[in-house]
Amino acid sequence: AQSVTQLGSHVSVSEGALVLLRCNYSSSVPPYLFWYVQYPNQGLQLLLKYTSAATLVKGINGFEAEFKKSETSFHLTKPSAHMSDAAEYFCAARRAAGNKLTFGGGTRVLVKP
Amino acid sequence: GAGVSQSPRYKVAKRGQDVALRCDPISGHVSLFWYQQALGQGPEFLTYFQNEAQLDKSGLPSDRFFAERPEGSVSTLKIQRTQQEDSAVYLCASSLEQISNQPQHFGDGTRLSIL
Repeated sequence: AQSVTQLGSHVSVSEGALVLLRCNYSSSVPPYLFWYVQYPNQGLQLLLKYTSAATLVKGINGFEAEFKKSETSFHLTKPSAHMSDAAEYFCAARRAAGNKLTFGGGTRVLVKP
Repeated sequence: GAGVSQSPRYKVAKRGQDVALRCDPISGHVSLFWYQQALGQGPEFLTYFQNEAQLDKSGLPSDRFFAERPEGSVSTLKIQRTQQEDSAVYLCASSLEQISNQPQHFGDGTRLSIL
């Protein structure tokens, strides 16, 4: 069965500092990978997706993620954190032949002024 | 509207009552998904529709959970004889096609509290 692991349930960064959120997947076949952001009392908004076209994927709000097959990772980064980045972030995978998303446990980001 | 719409946003029910949660997907989206998100956790898959056909219901936790999408558009998730462990946010998502790389678009969810 496919699984997604997010290392660190909480991350605290200073405004202007690098944001790094880690995601590892477990699959014999590299799946389709996604990062979503969730603000309080809202649904999930897509940040970016990896679909094998390019290993470095750029998303909205200045976020990007790099797919590394050798490490089975898809870490999310943003060079400079903004207060509006405070939210919960979910990494998710979807098998090529399947349709449901398998989510990691989420990482809550706190941005300090 | 342009996005996935869910209603009600909040639902409080007494243990043992039946509840019905509605999802209005983005117009023209073939695929519809239901997820359950417990407090402090990531969403977990419940069931999937392609048009009106329920192709995967492997995530439904018990036979008290039932979902339908009779005309291939609006979907309803019904929970019978609710239990306290059913308290969660129920998220609906839709996508344009059944191709795996299409992103799923999520509604704001229904927060269900069972007393």
